[in-house]
Amino acid sequence: DGGITQSPKYLFRKEGQNVTLSCEQNLNHDAMYWYRQDPGQGLRLIYYSQIVNDFQKGDIAEGYSVSREKKESFPLTVTSAQKNPTAFYLCASSQGGAGEKLFFGSGTQLSVL
Amino acid sequence: AQSVTQPDIHITVSEGASLELRCNYSYGATPYLFWYVQSPGQGLQLLLKYFSGDTLVQGIKGFEAEFKRSQSSFNLRKPSVHWSDAAEYFCAAYLQAGTALIFGKGTTLSVSS
Repeated sequence: DGGITQSPKYLFRKEGQNVTLSCEQNLNHDAMYWYRQDPGQGLRLIYYSQIVNDFQKGDIAEGYSVSREKKESFPLTVTSAQKNPTAFYLCASSQGGAGEKLFFGSGTQLSVL
Repeated sequence: AQSVTQPDIHITVSEGASLELRCNYSYGATPYLFWYVQSPGQGLQLLLKYFSGDTLVQGIKGFEAEFKRSQSSFNLRKPSVHWSDAAEYFCAAYLQAGTALIFGKGTTLSVSS
């Protein structure tokens, strides 16, 4: 079945530690996105990539980094510079054209120990 | 600033009653508009979308939405709510070409018996 796979479902980070959230899609989509969800804040865009080896910052990119070396993969690293990383992280993909529907993964809940 | 606004944080509706969730956007041109639904701890599912043409669009699960250019609104409606409709609902829009989807902060729907 085609879809988006996020792993792990739950992740814990220690102080000063970098952690990487995985996002893989087998939909052959060009565009991929990372959103952060906090209660009452909706979804806020962290980074997005419309093509391999290229990505753009979203509204809240500080403290995060991404790579897009393969079409099907768009990992997100939460660095130690992100002082408030506890949130629900959602990865999505789309065909990439304006107005294309986003397909979402089931999310990763990141918590700080 | 370009934005998507959902004025209602939380709405409670009796089962069988009608529902309307409000959404307004701030942008000069007509954006591509979407409504998504999210169950707890899950990703988002597309309910419906508006690109152009007929301003009343039909979606899944009996939902519909009406685009009103004069009011910059895209309200979601359902004639008769079921208990299984309890979830969080997000309005979203592509406000500029080449950018990613922008989400409102969401409206939590509770259904009372």
